[in-house]
Amino acid sequence: GAVVSQHPSWVICKSGTSVKIECRSLDFQATTMFWYRQFPKQSLMLMATSNEGSKATYEQGVEKDKFLINHASLTLSTLTVTSAHPEDSSFYICSARPGTGVDEQYFGPGTRLTVT
Amino acid sequence: GENVEQHPSTLSVQEGDSAVIKCTYSDSASNYFPWYKQELGKGPQLIIDIRSNVGEKKDQRIAVTLNKTAKHFSLHITETQPEDSAVYFCAASMTGANSKLTFGKGITLSVRP
Repeated sequence: GAVVSQHPSWVICKSGTSVKIECRSLDFQATTMFWYRQFPKQSLMLMATSNEGSKATYEQGVEKDKFLINHASLTLSTLTVTSAHPEDSSFYICSARPGTGVDEQYFGPGTRLTVT
Repeated sequence: GENVEQHPSTLSVQEGDSAVIKCTYSDSASNYFPWYKQELGKGPQLIIDIRSNVGEKKDQRIAVTLNKTAKHFSLHITETQPEDSAVYFCAASMTGANSKLTFGKGITLSVRP
């Protein structure tokens, strides 16, 4: 149980283009989903928290117009990196919390984004 | 805000030995402490967690202990195996609908066969 998937697992895009990453909870409904980015040999950095049907809450320093998050259903959240640049190259990981009153977060397998 | 520190940054043990990883946190309001294992190129996997109303929790070869007074919690792995080699992250958070995890920097555990 508590499986989270991400698609794609890796993507290469050209500078200036936009990329959408999907995060799905496969066997539970996720009222809250989180998006993280991770640079090589570093820890996870929280980018934003999203609740189904409402606007995402972004962490300080994260550009909301650049990283668009949509949590359209209880099983799907998307992260769109707009006008990507090489410095956006990173490992993007989502996590999902199975319901309110639950502390656990289950992570997806991550998406490797390379911007050329 | 919360600050989680993890020491050491690397740990190497012989297969079959025990490994102990320690984390400290700063916010006394934190009451949920999970541990994650991350293998290369993969997402973190929740391996065990503990809440502030208990001092110890065990799951087969893995155990976690919590000292709320000292604000530290530790991961104990017994009878280590090569497949235990990975990066381990500790984290802390309060409980609540939008509570956020604060992660430590991670420790690379190497189990020598």
